[in-house]
Amino acid sequence: GQQVMQIPQYQHVQEGEDFTTYCNSSTTLSNIQWYKQRPGGHPVFLIQLVKSGEVKKQKRLTFQFGEAKKNSSLHITATQTTDVGTYFCAHLSGGSYIPTFGRGTSLIVHP
Amino acid sequence: NAGVTQTPKFQVLKTGQSMTLQCAQDMNHEYMSWYRQDPGMGLRLIHYSVGAGITDQGEVPNGYNVSRSTTEDFPLRLLSAAPSQTSVYFCASRGGAGQPQHFGDGTRLSIL
Repeated sequence: GQQVMQIPQYQHVQEGEDFTTYCNSSTTLSNIQWYKQRPGGHPVFLIQLVKSGEVKKQKRLTFQFGEAKKNSSLHITATQTTDVGTYFCAHLSGGSYIPTFGRGTSLIVHP
Repeated sequence: NAGVTQTPKFQVLKTGQSMTLQCAQDMNHEYMSWYRQDPGMGLRLIHYSVGAGITDQGEVPNGYNVSRSTTEDFPLRLLSAAPSQTSVYFCASRGGAGQPQHFGDGTRLSIL
């Protein structure tokens, strides 16, 4: 299936700094999903984007889907220690109901 | 609300042993899947099912079997455990279009 590249692999920030992770594809995606996995936990669904140029917000989290539907980003404003974890993007290939995941970005927040 | 239940949570096996990882969901979801998670590799799809009686291979199916005799249950079988199968295994289920993937708590498996 289509592969998505996530960058960076790791990101260290000081508490209060902003954080952004990117998900890039060489082909057009029909949709993108974002998940968060806390250390020792399981992935938890955050949001799904389906429209070109779509922007959605959840409190300090802003999700964007590119105009060409080939990339997406997750931005966290003023990080907190509770934001620590790995953030995954995932997409559903055409005709499939099982998401394919990127390798994730691990966020480490220093107090 | 149990959601997706995986058992056991931890398991240590010897090379060559076989075992079954259990997964059950109570949300009447048609779509179920097994992933393995290794450091730096993200979540890789092992096998999946789009309904009772229907299964298919994912990205890394070798060494694993699945079956889907009921909507609720989707067990993963390791036929002859190898050290390369040491990993964290997640079962997930999903409803229809636009619905999120629900994950179980995972099984941490070590093969010696």
